[in-house]
Amino acid sequence: DAGVIQSPRHEVTEMGQEVTLRCKPISGHNSLFWYRQTMMRGLELLIYFNNNVPIDDSGMPEDRFSAKMPNASFSTLKIQPSEPRDSAVYFCASRRPQGYGYTFGSGTRLTVV
Amino acid sequence: KQEVTQIPAALSVPEGENLVLNCSFTDSAIYNLQWFRQDPGKGLTSLLLIQSSQREQTSGRLNASLDKSSGRSTLYIAASQPGDSATYLCAGIEGDNQGGKLIFGQGTELSVKP
Repeated sequence: DAGVIQSPRHEVTEMGQEVTLRCKPISGHNSLFWYRQTMMRGLELLIYFNNNVPIDDSGMPEDRFSAKMPNASFSTLKIQPSEPRDSAVYFCASRRPQGYGYTFGSGTRLTVV
Repeated sequence: KQEVTQIPAALSVPEGENLVLNCSFTDSAIYNLQWFRQDPGKGLTSLLLIQSSQREQTSGRLNASLDKSSGRSTLYIAASQPGDSATYLCAGIEGDNQGGKLIFGQGTELSVKP
């Protein structure tokens, strides 16, 4: 089991550019979550999917953020246009049903300059 | 709205001490509770998961308990070691076992001095 795989590990981009973060959940996990971590706000849930369907996107900060899960093995989080305040570590996590815990990826450290 | 609070925010102890990290949540509708460890600049590593029907879980020198009626969980670390230095996060799982969301506390930053 390779765990939850996120790419890229680091991303530096200029303000106004489009950024796409990618996540591959663990096979057999049917829930997928995107979190953002900053010093000021800690870990915040942005959006989560059950069986590829978005369930709660109330944490998505603005219309500049969008997330998709086209199939059970892949999800993207896109920021367009990016702003310096989007700089953070973005984590993806997945989970099996029936009361199991969450497994997190290693995160993508995003820096917008 | 569920809120998770961790006390203390930071803790420094000498090696060998037993210690307790505290976590409280505002809504008893929490389903499961999970403790994580995060090393600087790294991701989250799951330590213990306490499911709804359980009251505690143990793994090596770690023991976590959950009391839903009082809205509290504790993580007990026995015979602490410098390698235990990290930030410890507790998180409550809302909703049901089909995929509820995880709400995090702000963490306790632990430093174990040799």
